[in-house]
Amino acid sequence: DQQVKQNSPSLSVQEGRISILNCDYTNSMFDYFLWYKKYPAEGPTFLISISSIKDKNEDGRFTVFLNKSAKHLSLHIVPSQPGDSAVYFCAASVSNTGKLIFGQGTTLQVKP
Amino acid sequence: EPEVTQTPSHQVTQMGQEVILRCVPISNHLYFYWYRQILGQKVEFLVSFYNNEISEKSEIFDDQFSVERPDGSNFTLKIRSTKLEDSAMYFCASWGQGSDTQYFGPGTRLTVL
Repeated sequence: DQQVKQNSPSLSVQEGRISILNCDYTNSMFDYFLWYKKYPAEGPTFLISISSIKDKNEDGRFTVFLNKSAKHLSLHIVPSQPGDSAVYFCAASVSNTGKLIFGQGTTLQVKP
Repeated sequence: EPEVTQTPSHQVTQMGQEVILRCVPISNHLYFYWYRQILGQKVEFLVSFYNNEISEKSEIFDDQFSVERPDGSNFTLKIRSTKLEDSAMYFCASWGQGSDTQYFGPGTRLTVL
């Protein structure tokens, strides 16, 4: 039951360039989407979220784009920094208090 | 900044034993959750808890699992008779009014031998 999918297990970018992480979902009932960052042996750390009434949300270097018709969201990190190297999970829920359904994660490596 | 805490950080147990994983959610939060991540797999929802009762649970959360909020601060996950396949990282999370997100604790690594 893969309602949320991250098809790229890994991504490598050069410091200063843009990182684009992608996520697809199948459940049209989802109305809240989030990106988390995770280091080994730590819990997921919230990065940014977007509700289904918006198509873009920006917070500093992080921007999330939502394309509801394509059931696709993406996270842009500009400029990428070595400290951004981690596993990034997208997640979705039917409401902001509901259970989160996570993707498999994308490991981002930002090279100095 | 308030944070979710979990104890212990690592629990090793024998198959068939009972374990209790403990969490202290953020103090004014009302919704509480347990998730787990088996090594190399995605983070999976187990159960949500609101107003002193389970609000939703996954198919993973069978009769071997239970949750409790024994006092005003702790939120526990009990596994009655552990199996090898219960080995995973277990994450507690909480959500409160005005929050953008569920805040996650650092996790408890459960190893069942």
